Amino acid sequence: AQKVTQAQTEISVVEKEDVTLDCVYETRDTTYYLFWYKQPPSGELVFLIRRNSFDEQNEISGRYSWNFQKSTSSFNFTITASQVVDSAVYFCALIEGNAGKSTFGDGTTLTVKP
Amino acid sequence: DAGVTQSPTHLIKTRGQQVTLRCSPKSGHDTVSWYQQALGQGPQFIFQYYEEEERQRGNFPDRFSGHQFPNYSSELNVNALLLGDSALYLCASSLGTGVSYNEQFFGPGTRLTVL
Repeated sequence: AQKVTQAQTEISVVEKEDVTLDCVYETRDTTYYLFWYKQPPSGELVFLIRRNSFDEQNEISGRYSWNFQKSTSSFNFTITASQVVDSAVYFCALIEGNAGKSTFGDGTTLTVKP
Repeated sequence: DAGVTQSPTHLIKTRGQQVTLRCSPKSGHDTVSWYQQALGQGPQFIFQYYEEEERQRGNFPDRFSGHQFPNYSSELNVNALLLGDSALYLCASSLGTGVSYNEQFFGPGTRLTVL
């Protein structure tokens, strides 16, 4: 069965600090998809990134970067020079290629203080 | 371009009642997925509709049912409500189904409270 673990329940940083959110996943499939979503206080989930299991290339988008390592089953998310507007709950999710059902972690609440 | 819309925003019901939640997908999308998000937890997949049929289902009892209409909008029905059904219900739309698993766009959710 697939599983996503976000061990960090809450993280608090001061503005301009770098912060890394951890995500560890479990799956038996060789084909799967990993996602990160942001959920601000308004409640609407915002898509950040999708990564396929056969593409381990790391990605950078502005202040955001993602480190996908199949060897450790991890898909970590780093925010560089954090800002107050980054405060939200961040979710990591997994979809197995054959099952099609998505599994979310329990989220990490990030608070960025001015 | 309208995003995913859901109605109502909030709903209060009592145990044993039935509820219907509605979702209109983003323009151009044909697939709708429903999720239940309890307080302090991640969303849990309920089911997905494509071409007016349920394509995938999570670990939810038969009290949870759905429907997709020809215009791709969808309804989630929950019968015999329990206190534990209190949660934020999220609808997500995407284009197509299968292994491409395109980006899902989420609606703002319906907050259901069961008393």
